[in-house]
Formats: sequence, structure tokens, C-alpha cells
Amino acid sequence: AQSVTQPDIHITVSEGASLELRCNYSYGATPYLFWYVQSPGQGLQLLLKYFSGDTLVQGIKGFEAEFKRSQSSFNLRKPSVHWSDAAEYFCAVGAGNQGGKLIFGQGTELSVKP
Amino acid sequence: NAGVTQTPKFQVLKTGQSMTLQCAQDMNHNSMYWYRQDPGMGLRLIYYSASEGTTDKGEVPNGYNVSRLNKREFSLRLESAAPSQTSVYFCASREAGLYRGIQYFGAGTRLSVL
Repeated sequence: AQSVTQPDIHITVSEGASLELRCNYSYGATPYLFWYVQSPGQGLQLLLKYFSGDTLVQGIKGFEAEFKRSQSSFNLRKPSVHWSDAAEYFCAVGAGNQGGKLIFGQGTELSVKP
Repeated sequence: NAGVTQTPKFQVLKTGQSMTLQCAQDMNHNSMYWYRQDPGMGLRLIYYSASEGTTDKGEVPNGYNVSRLNKREFSLRLESAAPSQTSVYFCASREAGLYRGIQYFGAGTRLSVL
């Protein structure tokens, strides 16, 4: 079955420190992968996507993610975290059925210490 | 550029009451979706509409109905609300390109059923 796992429910990092959020997926075919961010009380905003090609993709707000097929992973990284990055982050895979729905992970809540 | 607009933003219902959540997009997208977000579960698909005039069930359709009123609007109806339907509801629309299209989300409707 198609699924997405985000092993870390909550992560706290210091401002200026580096960040890596983990995402593992289970999908039979070539996956279409996404990272979304949700600020408190807001909707979801797309950070970046992977469809094909270069396995290192750049997104908005200084985020990047690397697709590793051998590990079924799509981890999100940022070299230096800002206080405004505190939010919930969702990894998702585009399904090949149900109208191209997104299958979401459980989410990782990021807190940033000053 | 409004994108995806959802109304209302907040709603409190009593068990057994009915209500309709409204969603409209101004991006001329064919596909639209309703998800619900529950703590620790990410977002799950309730219903979707691949194009004007069609609707189909997602993962968790029980207790809901939908209407694709026209290309812009996709509403979600709770006929007899239950406490288990307390959740945050997101509407999304997807740009063309089969399953590669990015989904754009509204700000959400926060619903409490007492």
C-alpha cells in the first residue's frame, strides 16, 4: 500500500542551526514527492517538489530536499534555521489513483529556540 | 490572486446539525479535493472531483456529500454532524498535467461538533 512516514513528530532546533526532516515513502512506481509547510492557523504552502531528473531539488525559503530511491527517502534540509521557520511540515506523495490525491505523512512540528 | 477560498473559517455545530463547507478556486483548475486533518494523521482525502460534473469518494467519505457546482466551486456537506467529524477541513485544487500537478490549498475550516 502507498504510504508516507515521517518518523519525527516534533523537532526542536536552535536558530541558526541546520535542519533535516526525515520522510520515507512506500510507492510502487516512480513517485511524485512534495514537501508542504503549514504555519499555525494557516493552510498548506508548497515548499518544493520532485517529479524527475536531478535528485536534489531546491525550494522556497532556502529549503532543499534530496530524493534517494535506494532508501525510499525524501528528506528536507535547511542549512540555517530562522525563527520564522517554526511550523508543521508535511511530506506527501502523489498517488496514481483517486484523482491524483496526495498521501500525506503524519507531519513534523518544528520549534525554533532563540 | 485569491487562489483557493474556503468559507467559513470556523464553525461550531451540535450533534445532528447539518452544514455546508464552501470552496472556490480562481485558477481554472479541473480537479478539486476535500481533505480532513486530524492530529497525528496528516491529511486524508474525503472526496474529489476530477473535472466539472464528476465526483468520487476518497479514503474517508462516510458522513459526507459533495457537489461540484461548476468549475470554480466544490462544496462539502455534513448532513448530520457527529463529534467524530470534529476536524480541520481543507479544500485543494490541482493544476493540469495528470498526476504531476501541484495542489493548492485553502486556509481551512476549523469545525467542532459538540
